[in-house]
Amino acid sequence: NAGVTQTPKFQVLKTGQSMTLQCAQDMNHNSMYWYRQDPGMGLRLIYYSASEGTTDKGEVPNGYNVSRLNKREFSLRLESAAPSQTSVYFCASSGQGVGVRGYTFGSGTRLTVV
Amino acid sequence: TQLLEQSPQFLSIQEGENLTVYCNSSSVFSSLQWYRQEPGEGPVLLVTVVTGGEVKKLKRLTFQFGDARKDSSLHITAAQPGDTGLYLCAGMETGGFKTIFGAGTRLFVKA
Repeated sequence: NAGVTQTPKFQVLKTGQSMTLQCAQDMNHNSMYWYRQDPGMGLRLIYYSASEGTTDKGEVPNGYNVSRLNKREFSLRLESAAPSQTSVYFCASSGQGVGVRGYTFGSGTRLTVV
Repeated sequence: TQLLEQSPQFLSIQEGENLTVYCNSSSVFSSLQWYRQEPGEGPVLLVTVVTGGEVKKLKRLTFQFGDARKDSSLHITAAQPGDTGLYLCAGMETGGFKTIFGAGTRLFVKA
């Protein structure tokens, strides 16, 4: 099925380790996003890419970096993981403008930092 | 900081009952979206409303955008166990690209 694919689904890291979360979409969407979801706090935007070749900070960018590799792929990197980064991470994409008509989300990566 | 407050936070009802969940803010939004999220999955878009006062229906679900575009409601008629999930509203700020998500209403429909 067409959509947004994220890998891995689950990951446990030790404090200080690094990792990259991968995301790919096959809907030819221009815009892609990384969100984190924590209990009682809703989804918070980490970084977004309005179009291929551009990236911008969202609400909670500290401790993260992103790469828009091409139109399909948008990765999120944690350089030195901290327990505060324990969360569920969602990649999303949108076609018409930046999220104007809604987002298509991946199924998430559940990350635990110990 | 813009906030979208959803109420109630939790709702447990019997199959066949009606319910309404609310999404409120002091900010004006250019559009508002509703999503349903099931455990272990990402949110799935149900509807986008754009015009103040707009009402959209999706089978047994009725969505309304407030006249001032600051609030929205979701009404479910004759709830089914398949309606169980986390319902999220998300408002897109006027003139910008930022979307604010509410924390969600967790609905459980008992058979």
